[in-house]
Amino acid sequence: SQQGEEDPQALSIQEGENATMNCSYKTSINNLQWYRQNSGRGLVHLILIRSNEREKHSGRLRVTLDTSKKSSSLLITASRAADTASYFCATLSGSARQLTFGSGTQLTVLP
Amino acid sequence: GAVVSQHPSWVICKSGTSVKIECRSLDFQATTMFWYRQFPKQSLMLMATSNEGSKATYEQGVEKDKFLINHASLTLSTLTVTSAHPEDSSFYICSARDRQRGSGNTEAFFGQGTRLTVV
Repeated sequence: SQQGEEDPQALSIQEGENATMNCSYKTSINNLQWYRQNSGRGLVHLILIRSNEREKHSGRLRVTLDTSKKSSSLLITASRAADTASYFCATLSGSARQLTFGSGTQLTVLP
Repeated sequence: GAVVSQHPSWVICKSGTSVKIECRSLDFQATTMFWYRQFPKQSLMLMATSNEGSKATYEQGVEKDKFLINHASLTLSTLTVTSAHPEDSSFYICSARDRQRGSGNTEAFFGQGTRLTVV
């Protein structure tokens, strides 16, 4: 089952603009992860933020985590056409530590 | 990063036939691998957790006799869709976590996915 919702479902921006995606989850977590999926391909890990962290940066990516609100956001700065993809947040759950994914945001960056 | 190879990347089969999808961790060992299914424009839904040397654990609503999982080694898990029907057409993705990097608080590595079309 899905862990939670992401919004927006779809986002279309111009190259150079920033893109912000939000994720909400339901259970307590050890960490939250963001993945990217190009159309018809597998997922690529972008960034992991631990439950005791509030913000993390990696290149043009900035992730925040608010455990009191059970929410996270992913900011992509200075977007490029190549950033066009679906972005999913995911949390670990279960005894086997499987990932449970949010509903995803389809980002389109227009050149 | 670690590489997970999934094969085939796409397959078309006739109704009633079986299709096997392989998932290999190329440069690490994976005690546990996961199989997901994804419908167009939707998120990934976990189907089953594949455990090396033991039976797979299936999510509620997933028919274990239809989706056979075998995890015979630390680097290979297979998913066989038996007696495939058009409604089984979907994108199937496997993932694995590096056994040496611990059980949970690390990233997962994903295969490229398999597009199954049943005609």
